[in-house]
Amino acid sequence: DGGITQSPKYLFRKEGQNVTLSCEQNLNHDAMYWYRQDPGQGLRLIYYSQIVNDFQKGDIAEGYSVSREKKESFPLTVTSAQKNPTAFYLCASSIEGGRTDTQYFGPGTRLTVL
Amino acid sequence: AQSVTQLDSHVSVSEGTPVLLRCNYSSSYSPSLFWYVQHPNKGLQLLLKYTSAATLVKGINGFEAEFKKSETSFHLTKPSAHMSDAAEYFCVVSSGGSQGNLIFGKGTKLSVKP
Repeated sequence: DGGITQSPKYLFRKEGQNVTLSCEQNLNHDAMYWYRQDPGQGLRLIYYSQIVNDFQKGDIAEGYSVSREKKESFPLTVTSAQKNPTAFYLCASSIEGGRTDTQYFGPGTRLTVL
Repeated sequence: AQSVTQLDSHVSVSEGTPVLLRCNYSSSYSPSLFWYVQHPNKGLQLLLKYTSAATLVKGINGFEAEFKKSETSFHLTKPSAHMSDAAEYFCVVSSGGSQGNLIFGKGTKLSVKP
C-alpha cells in the first residue's frame, strides 16, 4: 500500500523533554510538510521540505526542528523551547511541492504534554 | 497575500437534505483551491480541487464546488447529506509562488441528523 505513516498515534511528554515524531512516505514524493492543528484554528505550517537535505521554516517554526536525510522520511522534533506543544500534528507530502499539487496527509500524532 | 475564510464554524443538516459549506478566498493571482475533509482524530482527505480548469469541480462522495471569481467564493455542496458525511471540512488556498504551501480555513464542522 502506498501512503504516509506517522508514529506514534498518541504521545505523552513531560515538560522540558524533547520528543521526535516520525513521518514516512512511500509515494516517491519530493515534498514533505509538517502541520500543527489546534481546535478551531485550522492547520498551520511548521516546516516544509522540497528536496532531500533542504527544508524551510513555515509560519510557526519556533520550538521545532526537522531533518530530511532521506526522501522517504521527515521527522519532526518538538523541543523544550516550544511553549505550548500539546496539539495534533499532521505530516503531508506532495509530488513536487508546486502550488497546484495535491498534498496527501498521514493519520496524525496527538502529542500531550503532562 | 492569500487568505481563506469559512463563513460558518458549524452547519447542521438532516439526512437527505442538501449541504452547503461556504468559503471565500482572497488571492492576488489565479488561485488553486481545495476542499479537504477530516473525520475525528484522522488525517485529512482531499475532496476536490480547482486549478484554473473547469469552474464546476466534482469531487468524491457526491460533493462538488463552484469557483466564482467575481464573488471570490468556492462553496462546497452536496445534494443529499448522508450520516457518514458528518466531519470537519477545510477550505484551502495555495499560498502562491512556486511553492505549494497551503493556507487553511478554520474549518466547518458538519453535523447530520437522522
